[in-house]
Amino acid sequence: DGGITQSPKYLFRKEGQNVTLSCEQNLNHDAMYWYRQDPGQGLRLIYYSQIVNDFQKGDIAEGYSVSREKKESFPLTVTSAQKNPTAFYLCASSFGHGNQPQHFGDGTRLSIL
Amino acid sequence: QKEVEQDPGPLSVPEGAIVSLNCTYSNSAFQYFMWYRQYSRKGPELLMYTYSSGNKEDGRFTAQVDKSSKYISLFIRDSQPSDSATYLCAMTPMDSSYKLIFGSGTRLLVRP
Repeated sequence: DGGITQSPKYLFRKEGQNVTLSCEQNLNHDAMYWYRQDPGQGLRLIYYSQIVNDFQKGDIAEGYSVSREKKESFPLTVTSAQKNPTAFYLCASSFGHGNQPQHFGDGTRLSIL
Repeated sequence: QKEVEQDPGPLSVPEGAIVSLNCTYSNSAFQYFMWYRQYSRKGPELLMYTYSSGNKEDGRFTAQVDKSSKYISLFIRDSQPSDSATYLCAMTPMDSSYKLIFGSGTRLLVRP
């Protein structure tokens, strides 16, 4: 079945540690996105990528980094510079242009130890 | 002021009721509108995707867009306990296909 797979489902980070969240899609979508969801705040865009080897900052990119070496994969690293990383992280993908709807994975919940 | 306003609820209705969920927005550049359903600890699932003003129906769901009033609605007929979830509206302007602006979501509870 085609879809978006995020792993792990739950992740714990120690102070000063970088952690990487995985996102893989087999929908042949060109564009991929990372969002952060906090209670009562909706979804906020962290980074997005429209094609391989290219990505742009979203509204809240500080403390995060990404790479897009393959069309299917868009990992997100939460660095130690992100002071409030506890949140639900959602990866999405869509066909490239034309305001195509985005489809989401089932998220990774990140907590601080 | 947020670009997209959505009542957080919770909205509690009996099984079989017609549910009306709404969002208002301030940016007249928004042209594409989506409704997502999100169950607890899951990712949002696309329910409806519309462009023009008017109604779009899919099974028990009807999406309505009124661009002149900057107001969108999602109606659920014959609501079921399995419809209990958070409903998110999202929208995007014509000139920026990547940027979805989300409402904060309305939590719906359908009582058996």
